[in-house]
Amino acid sequence: EIVLTQSPGTLSLSPGERATLSCRASQSVSSSYLAWYQQKPGQAPRLLIYGASSRATGIPDRFSGSGSGTDFTLTISRLEPEDFAVYYCQQYGSSRTFGQGTKLEIK
Amino acid sequence: EVQLVESGGGLVKPGGSLRLSCAASGFTFSNAWMSWVRQAPGKGLEWVGRIKSKTDGGTTDYAAPVKGRFTISRDDSKNTLYLQMNSLKTEDTAVYYCTTFKPRSGSDYWGQGTLVTVSS
Repeated sequence: EIVLTQSPGTLSLSPGERATLSCRASQSVSSSYLAWYQQKPGQAPRLLIYGASSRATGIPDRFSGSGSGTDFTLTISRLEPEDFAVYYCQQYGSSRTFGQGTKLEIK
Repeated sequence: EVQLVESGGGLVKPGGSLRLSCAASGFTFSNAWMSWVRQAPGKGLEWVGRIKSKTDGGTTDYAAPVKGRFTISRDDSKNTLYLQMNSLKTEDTAVYYCTTFKPRSGSDYWGQGTLVTVSS
């Protein structure tokens, strides 16, 4: 089973700042089958990025994904108040597993 | 508009059984691969399992913690996905989400979830 480790556990930033979230896999993720999800309190997760770098429908272009192999990054270029949430990465190639999440909180 | 509505959650004793349903609308359900994801209270997301469309073989696969105890099935005539949960354990307590699943883009639509509590 591929284990995904997200860092940092909590990220404290201010609106307007840039956020960089990391997801590291224990072995190579095939064909960049790596997704990022956003979850706000009391809500279901929402797909942001798939295929490591493709934005899902309706996702603003301040969200971008990059990486391949075992190292992946989600970048939010300029934080809006509604972006403060928990973010999960998921690999959906060999079986399917989630990272433990990164909480993005307002500083 | 894609809608996924889960139902069937509740309180069940350890060792008991429960069947969850997910009513789908707004897309061609018979062509869709579907999955279940769960989230224990205050914890992260955990993959439960997936079922392919009948056209693609209708096969299922499961995460190790639920394999042999949980069964995913579908009724395309009713646009409904099911999760049969047997031999429930306290650690199965979670909100269970139904999602659409595309092999190249992951879980693109999610229901609002249904809470399952396993407790004596």
